[in-house]
Amino acid sequence: AQSVTQLDSQVPVFEEAPVELRCNYSSSVSVYLFWYVQYPNQGLQLLLKYLSGSTLVESINGFEAEFNKSQTSFHLRKPSVHISDTAEYFCAVTVSGGSYIPTFGRGTSLIVHP
Amino acid sequence: DSGVTQTPKHLITATGQRVTLRCSPRSGDLSVYWYQQSLDQGLQFLIQYYNGEERAKGNILERFSAQQFPDLHSELNLSSLELGDSALYFCASSVDGTTDNEQFFGPGTRLTVL
Repeated sequence: AQSVTQLDSQVPVFEEAPVELRCNYSSSVSVYLFWYVQYPNQGLQLLLKYLSGSTLVESINGFEAEFNKSQTSFHLRKPSVHISDTAEYFCAVTVSGGSYIPTFGRGTSLIVHP
Repeated sequence: DSGVTQTPKHLITATGQRVTLRCSPRSGDLSVYWYQQSLDQGLQFLIQYYNGEERAKGNILERFSAQQFPDLHSELNLSSLELGDSALYFCASSVDGTTDNEQFFGPGTRLTVL
């Protein structure tokens, strides 16, 4: 079974600073990778996903994530964060052609200070 | 707004009681997922339905059950409630429930067991 590790439970940063939220997964087979964001008192929303092709994927609000197969990682980055990016971020993995059960990481709370 | 609706938004009940949580998926989505989110366990997958049939089961207790009706809405039944069942319960839907599908999450039902 696959597992997802988000090493940082909380990441505090100042506005306009760069940020990286780390995600590592364990799976020996081909996977699909997702980042979801959860704003306070809301459900999760898809931020971006990697299915195949280019290993660098981008979201519409400036986030990007890079799939690194050799390091089994899918870290999320943003060069300059805004106060409005304060939220909980979840990394998730599913196995290509496998079980439909998605595995989510424990989440990383991004706290952007003015 | 994800298009997924959940009722009720909040539910307060006592130990030993039974409750039903309701979910309506996005129009056109055939698959419904249920998740439990708590501070100590994180986001846990409970169960998935596809077009009325159970497709995958996760960490769902025997006291919990779910079903998906012909109109595709779903209900999660929680019985013999315990204090530890207090959590946010999310429903999500996807087009056909395959592993590369994005899931659309509802706003959640916050269950408090006293």
